Amino acid sequence: DIQMTQSPSSLSASVGDRVTITCQASQDISNYLNWYQQKPGKAPKLLIYDASNLETGVPSRFSGSGSGTDFTFTISSLQPEDIATYYCQQYDNLPPKRLTFGGGTKVEIK
Amino acid sequence: EVQLVQSGAEVKKPGESLKISCKGSGYSFTSYWIGWVRQMPGKGLEWMGIIYPGDSDTRYSPSFQGQVTISADKSISTAYLQWSSLKASDTAMYYCVRWASPGIDYWGQGTLVTVSS
Repeated sequence: DIQMTQSPSSLSASVGDRVTITCQASQDISNYLNWYQQKPGKAPKLLIYDASNLETGVPSRFSGSGSGTDFTFTISSLQPEDIATYYCQQYDNLPPKRLTFGGGTKVEIK
Repeated sequence: EVQLVQSGAEVKKPGESLKISCKGSGYSFTSYWIGWVRQMPGKGLEWMGIIYPGDSDTRYSPSFQGQVTISADKSISTAYLQWSSLKASDTAMYYCVRWASPGIDYWGQGTLVTVSS
């Protein structure tokens, strides 16, 4: 089974800082990698799909990059409303069979 | 408007059985995969499995194979997650989700399952 290693598990940054989260797959997953944001007490929300595509309505300060086994998620200028836990998720293509989440990164304001 | 509405919170004892539900509306229920995600208290998201209500094709994460059963009744646009014998370690929030490749585009509100003697 594909394992997704996400780091760091938590981080603290100041408003306006650039924040970077990484996700590493245990084998090549091409660009089949999504990023979700989960705010406390809420269901997660899709931010980035296929490694680098911004979901409609998501602010442009969020971005993603990578392919193969190494992926990066970036918040270019951290805002107070970005306090959340972020998860990467890999998937195999249609039909979906294995969809594995990373362990999550909790983002806090310093 | 697309909605996934889950059944309410449950409190059960170890060894009891349980079936929770997820009713889809606002879209063609038989045309999208419905998955289940577990979130244990204070922990991350875990993929459990997925079903295609159109033909009931079902796939399980290896971690959950044999531990739960996923099913769907397309006549009432409802998917289910069931346990035959609950354990305390099944205490968690369970989300149903709509898989619209390449991502999960809709989530249910979650069903909190508490298993305690």
